[in-house]
Amino acid sequence: GAGVSQSPRYKVAKRGQDVALRCDPISGHVSLFWYQQALGQGPEFLTYFQNEAQLDKSGLPSDRFFAERPEGSVSTLKIQRTQQEDSAVYLCASSRDSFSNQPQHFGDGTRLSIL
Amino acid sequence: EDQVTQSPEALRLQEGESSSLNCSYTVSGLRGLFWYRQDPGKGPEFLFTLYSAGEEKEKERLKATLTKKESFLHITAPKPEDSATYLCAVLFGNEKLTFGTGTRLTIIP
Repeated sequence: GAGVSQSPRYKVAKRGQDVALRCDPISGHVSLFWYQQALGQGPEFLTYFQNEAQLDKSGLPSDRFFAERPEGSVSTLKIQRTQQEDSAVYLCASSRDSFSNQPQHFGDGTRLSIL
Repeated sequence: EDQVTQSPEALRLQEGESSSLNCSYTVSGLRGLFWYRQDPGKGPEFLFTLYSAGEEKEKERLKATLTKKESFLHITAPKPEDSATYLCAVLFGNEKLTFGTGTRLTIIP
C-alpha cells in the first residue's frame, strides 16, 4: 500500500490481558516509530527502530511494553498485563531514513480501550 | 527540558477570515520543525518541514514560517475543509519528534 497501515483499528481488552498491535510501514522506509496519543494531546514518543535495530526505547512507560521489528519491516507493539491507563491511540510512523530529517508519515492508529 | 508550546488551544474563524497559529519551542540543536494536520480518528498528515530561521513554505492556503524560537502557520481565506487540529513537532538531537498539544481550528461557513 501507499501509506502506513495499522491493525487492528480498534481493540478492546479487559484489564490484565495482553494485546499486540501491528504496523506495516511504507515500503522501503528504514525508520519506524511508535507514539502514544491521549485524548486532546499531541503524540508522545515510545520507541524507534532503524531497520531491525531498536535504537531508542526511552519512551516506553514500563516493562510491560515491548516492541519488535524482526525483519526490518513490519513491527509489533505488545502490551502485557494491560492497565486502564494504557487506554490511548497508538500511532506508528515511518520515514525514508534517519539521517536526512525526512518527515515521518503516520498511520491512522489503533485505538486501545482497557475495561 | 525541551518543550513545544502551541497557541491558541482552539480557534474559531469565519470562512475567509485569515489568522495565524503559533508554535514556540525551547531547545538547543534544532534539526527541523514539522507541521502536521490531524482530522478526527485519523493519524497526523504531514504538511511542512522547516529547517532554519527565515525559511518559509507554502501549500494552498497555508504558509509556515520559522524564527529562532517559534514558528507560525498562517491560514489565508480559510474554508470549512481546513477545519482540523494542527500539530507542531520539533526534531532535536535524536530521532524522536516532540509534539505540542495542537491547535483545534474550526472554520464556520
